[in-house]
Amino acid sequence: EAEVAQSPRYKITEKSQAVAFWCDPISGHATLYWYRQILGQGPELLVQFQDESVVDDSQLPKDRFSAERLKGVDSTLKIQPAELGDSAMYLCASSLGGPGEQFFGPGTRLTVL
Amino acid sequence: AQSVSQHNHHVILSEAASLELGCNYSYGGTVNLFWYVQYPGQHLQLLLKYFSGDPLVKGIKGFEAEFIKSKFSFNLRKPSVQWSDTAEYFCAVNAGNNRKLIWGLGTSLAVNP
Repeated sequence: EAEVAQSPRYKITEKSQAVAFWCDPISGHATLYWYRQILGQGPELLVQFQDESVVDDSQLPKDRFSAERLKGVDSTLKIQPAELGDSAMYLCASSLGGPGEQFFGPGTRLTVL
Repeated sequence: AQSVSQHNHHVILSEAASLELGCNYSYGGTVNLFWYVQYPGQHLQLLLKYFSGDPLVKGIKGFEAEFIKSKFSFNLRKPSVQWSDTAEYFCAVNAGNNRKLIWGLGTSLAVNP
């Protein structure tokens, strides 16, 4: 069964350092999403790609966060510099497009010390 | 702004008890509705979805949900829970032309054997 892959699964870093997360969506899925999930809350959309184009990054803190999907396949989310408040689970999801089902990866648990 | 409200943040049940988790949304037009589940240590996965047609939808593992348009609700039900249903449950709504999923805060369900 096809799955969304994410790495690393866990990341511990010190504040002011740079971190990067990687996501490989299900093959053929044009839409890719990055979410942040804080414990006890639902996922919050950070950025949405349609192929290689950003279609929604309204909730992405652009002063420190960046995301790219250069070839319209895998994607990288970067934080520089990391802050204590960035500690959370970062989820990647993909879908064929439209309002259909999103398929989630296992997430990257980020701890900023 | 569109929002999703899940009434119960923590629910504790004994095995064989019936379950109903409430979900209400704020949007007056056409909606697509989802329930996702996150089992301990696993990634988010789709439990069931409603796009159109029969307002009573059936999902995996014996779960069902009823869309009541007049009440803006999409409550999740299961007649008899099992210990393996222990998980976090999220209601999500995709409304109108906005392709963004709006998530509830989630309900943590613990089923005692």
